[in-house]
Amino acid sequence: DAGVTQSPTHLIKTRGQQVTLRCSPKSGHDTVSWYQQALGQGPQFIFQYYEEEERQRGNFPDRFSGHQYPNYSSELNVNALLLGDSALYLCASGAPLGRENYGYTFGSGTRLTVV
Amino acid sequence: GQNIDQPTEMTATEGAIVQINCTYQTSGFNGLFWYQQHAGEAPTFLSYNVLDGLEEKGRFSSFLSRSKGYSYLLLKELQMKDSASYLCAVTNFNKFYFGSGTKLNVKP
Repeated sequence: DAGVTQSPTHLIKTRGQQVTLRCSPKSGHDTVSWYQQALGQGPQFIFQYYEEEERQRGNFPDRFSGHQYPNYSSELNVNALLLGDSALYLCASGAPLGRENYGYTFGSGTRLTVV
Repeated sequence: GQNIDQPTEMTATEGAIVQINCTYQTSGFNGLFWYQQHAGEAPTFLSYNVLDGLEEKGRFSSFLSRSKGYSYLLLKELQMKDSASYLCAVTNFNKFYFGSGTKLNVKP
């Protein structure tokens, strides 16, 4: 049973460019959340997708956008990259609102470096 | 707002017991998770508390007091492989609020 799969594992981009990160949730999961983890910090919630809609959003600018497909996979897009966007981006899949939190699973993350 | 506090770093000896504390002030609360994260890897689930009291799982135990906004993770019989960061996270409607993590160094 595959867990949460993220791609690519590492990425280097130039300031001002755009990037797309991808996530396939664990089998049986239909909710995908994205987190940004700066070095030495805990993960910060970006947004959550369920039924192809953004359901919740953290304190991130509109440069951060996402999408969820009918097969529950998800993308995170970041426009106009800044040096401060360099971080580990984690995807977590689980059950939707009102159901058990217990089964949340994190992917291994995408390490984004902006130069 | 959400505020979750953990010590930044701790050091303990192999075979010993260590307690990592977490205090939180959040606008909502569904439960509290502890995750282990080795450098460069994804967080992995350790424990989940939704009610007050102690949850024991092998060498790891986690305690929660909702009235005090307080939790701790207890690690017994420390092993070198336990050297990692330990993240406390409060959940509110499937959204996780993480502390900055406690880096645990286990020495021989």
